[in-house]
Parts: sequence; C-alpha cells; structure tokens
Amino acid sequence: LAKTTQPISMDSYEGQEVNITCSHNNIATNDYITWYQQFPSQGPRFIIQGYKTKVTNEVASLFIPADRKSSTLSLPRVSLSDTAVYYCLVGERGTGFQKLVFGTGTRLLVSP
Amino acid sequence: KAGVTQTPRYLIKTRGQQVTLSCSPISGHRSVSWYQQTPGQGLQFLFEYFSETQRNKGNFPGRFSGRQFSNSRSEMNVSTLELGDSALYLCASSSRQGAEKLFFGSGTQLSVL
Repeated sequence: LAKTTQPISMDSYEGQEVNITCSHNNIATNDYITWYQQFPSQGPRFIIQGYKTKVTNEVASLFIPADRKSSTLSLPRVSLSDTAVYYCLVGERGTGFQKLVFGTGTRLLVSP
Repeated sequence: KAGVTQTPRYLIKTRGQQVTLSCSPISGHRSVSWYQQTPGQGLQFLFEYFSETQRNKGNFPGRFSGRQFSNSRSEMNVSTLELGDSALYLCASSSRQGAEKLFFGSGTQLSVL
C-alpha cells in the first residue's frame, strides 16, 4: 500500500513562494496524486491533482518527477489566508478496492 | 449545487451511549466516505460506501458501522462510545467509487464525556 510522508510543519512570510514535498515511494501505476487544504473546524478542500510532470491551476502548481516517487505542491506568493494544513493523498488499491490514505499533513504558518 | 451536508454539527454524548451521524452527499454523487480526525492521529479513513454497499473499510473496531440509502445519503453509527471516540467526523462524497477528488462536509464534532 502506498504511504505518504510530508514535513510536519513549515513557516513562511507573506509574498513568498512555498514548496511542500510529499514522498510516496510505493505509488502504483494507476494512482493519482492529490493535494488538499484544511482550515480549522472545516473539512479538507481539494487543491490540485496530477499524474506526472506538471499541473497548474489558479491556486497552485504540482510538480511530479518521472519516477513519481515524490511530488511538490507549490504555492506562489502566499498570504495569511494560506495558513492551513496541507495533505498529500495518493489513490491506492488494496484487496481489489481502492483505499484512500491521507498523509500526515503539513501545517503551514504564514506570517506578516 | 449544494455541497456535502453533515448533521448534527456538534454532539455531546457520555460513555456507553451510541450515536448516529448523517451525511447528505452532493447531488449525483454516489460514493460516500467517512473519516475520523483527531489531533493525535490525524485524518483516518473509516469506510466508503457506493451504491448502498460498503466497498472498503479502515482499521476501526466493529463499534463503528455505517450504511448508505438508495438516495446516496449515508449514516454512521458508533456504539458503546468511549472517551477516545471524541473527534471530528468528516464525510466526503465523490462521483465514483475510490475517487481521489473528494468533496468534504464541515464535519460533526463529537465529544464523549
């Protein structure tokens, strides 16, 4: 089963670019990598999803190397409202079904 | 389109009691997953339902159970509550079984006294 590993916490300042890396050494061929953002007392919110190379949307970019054993979420020019927990999710298969496993999450603190 | 709705928002129970939580998925979504979130353990997968059938289950004791109705609404039940069951219970819906793109509700905060 694919497991994910992320840094527990990161600190940044407003206006900086933040890169959060997730390790998933056992990712399966058909798995996709998805990142979620969670604010206190709320459910996680989908940010971005990718399979390989690079994906960009209005919120973030996702970089995935050729071996797909890791991925990096890039948040350009963060603001105070980006302070949240970020989860890396890898779709996995087990006993014939897909079982979703969230990573430990990275707590990002953005300061003025 | 309405989002995922979870009720109640807050719940206080005592040890030994049982509790039922409700989740209404986004219209058209047939898959509903449940998660438990605690400060110490993070976000943990409980189970997933699709077309009224449990498709996958996490590593939780049998006190945790669920079901899904024909309209895709889902309920989760926890019997013989323990103090350690205090947590935020999150429901997520998706358009297909095992999808990586989930839409979460705001959760039910359960406190067991």
